[in-house]
Amino acid sequence: AQSVTQLGSHVSVSEGALVLLRCNYSSSVPPYLFWYVQYPNQGLQLLLKYTSAATLVKGINGFEAEFKKSETSFHLTKPSAHMSDAAEYFCAVRGSGGGADGLTFGKGTHLIIQP
Amino acid sequence: DGGITQSPKYLFRKEGQNVTLSCEQNLNHDAMYWYRQDPGQGLRLIYYSQIVNDFQKGDIAEGYSVSREKKESFPLTVTSAQKNPTAFYLCASSVAGNYEQFFGPGTRLTVL
Repeated sequence: AQSVTQLGSHVSVSEGALVLLRCNYSSSVPPYLFWYVQYPNQGLQLLLKYTSAATLVKGINGFEAEFKKSETSFHLTKPSAHMSDAAEYFCAVRGSGGGADGLTFGKGTHLIIQP
Repeated sequence: DGGITQSPKYLFRKEGQNVTLSCEQNLNHDAMYWYRQDPGQGLRLIYYSQIVNDFQKGDIAEGYSVSREKKESFPLTVTSAQKNPTAFYLCASSVAGNYEQFFGPGTRLTVL
C-alpha cells in the first residue's frame, strides 16, 4: 500500500534561512514522487516531481528535492526562504494501479516565514 | 488558456440536501479525479475516471456519486448519505498513464 509521511505539520523559518520539509514514503511499486504547494483557498500547484530519472530534482521558485531510495525519503529544500514561500506543502506518491488511480498525499506541512 | 475550472467557489447547503459540484477541463486529459481536503488530513481520493462513461471508487467514496458523460466534465454529487460533507473539494486531471496531476481552484462546501 502507498503511504506518505510528512514530519512536522508546521515548520517555521526566518526569511533568508534554509527551508527543509521532510517527506518519507512507502510504495509497493517503483515510486514516482511529487511536491505540491497550496496557497490559502486555492488549488495545488506542482513544484517538482521525481519519475526515476535524476535523483536530485529541481523545481520552480528555487525549490529542489533529493530522492534517497535507501532512506525512502524525498525531502524538499530551498537555500533561502522568502516571505512568498509561506504556504501549505504536500508530498505525494503515485498509486500502485498503473497510471490513473490517483496520488496518495501526505497530511501537509504548513510553512511559516518569520520576517 | 488551458486549465481546470470548478464552480462555484463557495457553496452553502442545508443538511439533508444533495449538492453537485462542477469540474470542467479543456486540457484534453483522459483521467479526472475528485479529492476531499480537511484541515490536517491532506487530500483523500473520492472517485476517479480514466475514460468517458467509466469511473472507479477511491478511498472515501461513500456518500458521493459521479458521472463522466463527456471527456471535459466530471461532476461530483455530495448526497445526503455523506455524514460530514463540509470540506474543501478539489478536482484534478492528468494525461492517461501520466502521474502528474493538474488541479482546479477548489470548491468550499459548507453544510449548515
